[in-house]
Amino acid sequence: SSELTQDPAVSVALGQTVRITCQGDSLRNYYASWYHQKPGQAPVLVIYGQDNRPSGIPDRFSASNSGNTASLTITGAQAEDEADYYCSSRDKSGNHLDVFGTGTKVTVL
Amino acid sequence: EVQLVQSGAELKEAGQSLKISCQGFGYSFTSYWIAWVRQMPGKGLEWMGIIYPGDSDTIYSPSFQGQVTISTDKSINTAYLQWSSLEASDTAMYYCARRYNSVSRPFDYWGQGTLVTVSS
Repeated sequence: SSELTQDPAVSVALGQTVRITCQGDSLRNYYASWYHQKPGQAPVLVIYGQDNRPSGIPDRFSASNSGNTASLTITGAQAEDEADYYCSSRDKSGNHLDVFGTGTKVTVL
Repeated sequence: EVQLVQSGAELKEAGQSLKISCQGFGYSFTSYWIAWVRQMPGKGLEWMGIIYPGDSDTIYSPSFQGQVTISTDKSINTAYLQWSSLEASDTAMYYCARRYNSVSRPFDYWGQGTLVTVSS
């Protein structure tokens, strides 16, 4: 199965911009989706596809893709954005297998 | 409103069997894949496998093949994850999640999680 690699942790000052990356071979062919997870809660979808946000997700979240890397950008980070962030994508085999990234802890200072 | 409601926390001993459930509400249960995701204490998300309730087609991650069984009862809009013989290493939070039917296949709705604790 594929692997999706993320930086373990990043920090951002309140109101500033942070980019979280997800690297993996499958991302050359398939889009990533992004989730945040706060302590004691289930994950929540924040971005999917080229740059689609579910209803209720603020437009400070955006996505981009280049080669084997998918990125989630938070523009003007808020205190409530502090969470663990995970990417997911199809397995590079292209069948119904999916895979999650290793996760990034985002701290808002 | 779409909801996935999971069964309650379980405390088991090693060697026992267990079946946890995930019931869908507010959408056509048979039209969306349901995945199971493991999160061990303090760790990340792991995709275990997925089932299509419409025809019970099931795919397992190689890491979990043979370790668990995923099933469904579409008459009650419910998916299941079961173990025949638990191990202490199965202690984790388990989530079910609906996979949205788009090219990027995001998991758009999640259950609240079922905490499974296995004592040795």
